[in-house]
Amino acid sequence: NAGVTQTPKFQVLKTGQSMTLQCAQDMNHNSMYWYRQDPGMGLRLIYYSASEGTTDKGEVPNGYNVSRLNKREFSLRLESAAPSQTSVYFCASADGRGVEQYFGPGTRLTVT
Amino acid sequence: AQSVTQLDSQVPVFEEAPVELRCNYSSSVSVYLFWYVQYPNQGLQLLLKYLSGSTLVKGINGFEAEFNKSQTSFHLRKPSVHISDTAEYFCAVIDMYSGGGADGLTFGKGTHLIIQP
Repeated sequence: NAGVTQTPKFQVLKTGQSMTLQCAQDMNHNSMYWYRQDPGMGLRLIYYSASEGTTDKGEVPNGYNVSRLNKREFSLRLESAAPSQTSVYFCASADGRGVEQYFGPGTRLTVT
Repeated sequence: AQSVTQLDSQVPVFEEAPVELRCNYSSSVSVYLFWYVQYPNQGLQLLLKYLSGSTLVKGINGFEAEFNKSQTSFHLRKPSVHISDTAEYFCAVIDMYSGGGADGLTFGKGTHLIIQP
């Protein structure tokens, strides 16, 4: 039982490049989330998905797209990376009403 | 919408001393409350949660927190810290009625607990 897994762990991009961050959970949870963590800012919600086939914007969605591929997987895409997107990205999943969330180990992204 | 204030960005404490990490929240609705811990270069791990019932909740690694509704606070305490408690600690809230909807968890900015030998 791996919980929530994220790939890659680290990534360096040049401005304008695109990439997809992958997240998968094996806890049969309905809800999945993408957060970004910036120094001194805590975590902020980018997008969330209440169930397969549904996604909604969070607090900071600009510059990102998401796909809920199936119940297990929730990906985050940067179409044209910008230095302001340098951050640590965390995926989380939750059962029921999404109250208790379980986090992945994070992806550290640097955009130069 | 909710907001969370962690009053101290950094707390240095000597090993085996007690510690309190402060958290205050504001919300127009009832909330659930959480403390998460993040060890260096790792993800977030749930330390403890308040959903209902006793206002004193116990978590992992000897931590506890007390929910005070009148003061809208949820301070984290440990009677005797160990060097391995060095980490970033985040207080978080979620709307009791909408759960993890569009707002997700609302986090404070974090408190860095530094244990000095």
